[in-house]
Amino acid sequence: KQEVTQIPAALSVPEGENLVLNCSFTDSAIYNLQWFRQDPGKGLTSLLLIQSSQREQTSGRLNASLDKSSGRSTLYIAASQPGDSATYLCAAFYNQGGKLIFGQGTELSVKP
Amino acid sequence: DAGITQSPRHKVTETGTPVTLRCHQTENHRYMYWYRQDPGHGLRLIHYSYGVKDTDKGEVSDGYSVSRSKTEDFLLTLESATSSQTSVYFCAISPQGREQYFGPGTRLTVT
Repeated sequence: KQEVTQIPAALSVPEGENLVLNCSFTDSAIYNLQWFRQDPGKGLTSLLLIQSSQREQTSGRLNASLDKSSGRSTLYIAASQPGDSATYLCAAFYNQGGKLIFGQGTELSVKP
Repeated sequence: DAGITQSPRHKVTETGTPVTLRCHQTENHRYMYWYRQDPGHGLRLIHYSYGVKDTDKGEVSDGYSVSRSKTEDFLLTLESATSSQTSVYFCAISPQGREQYFGPGTRLTVT
């Protein structure tokens, strides 16, 4: 069964710290992996999309990596700010079945 | 949320009444999806569409139906709402079915 797991479920860090969010997937035959941000009461905002042929993608202070062989992706946030506080979800797309499989999310709190 | 709107954004209804949620896109994307998000369950796919009049079931489709008569609109109908359908409903769109972009959500409460 294709499953996506995010650990930890919640993370609290002081402002300015660099941090890593983890995402693991059971089936390495992914087509791509997408990271989202969700603010309370809001929809999901797409942050980064990594194709299976890529190792990483960068956008501003965000860097996402993908290691298919180990079934892992990480989202690195540099110099965290209170405005980064949100829930971060990863989702793996598989051609087989054509579905996006979501993790449960990591709730990030950045303290001033 | 650019290019995707959902209506209504909030709705309270009574058990047994029919409810229709609307998703509208201006991106001309082929694929459209309906999800529900619940604490402890994450995001679960209800139905999706891969073209006008082409739809298929997701993992939690019981009690829901959909219709897509135009590229830009995807409707989700609860034929007879139940309290278990209290949730936040999200619409998503995709150009090729491999990455998705989400709407702002509709909070539905069934009393």
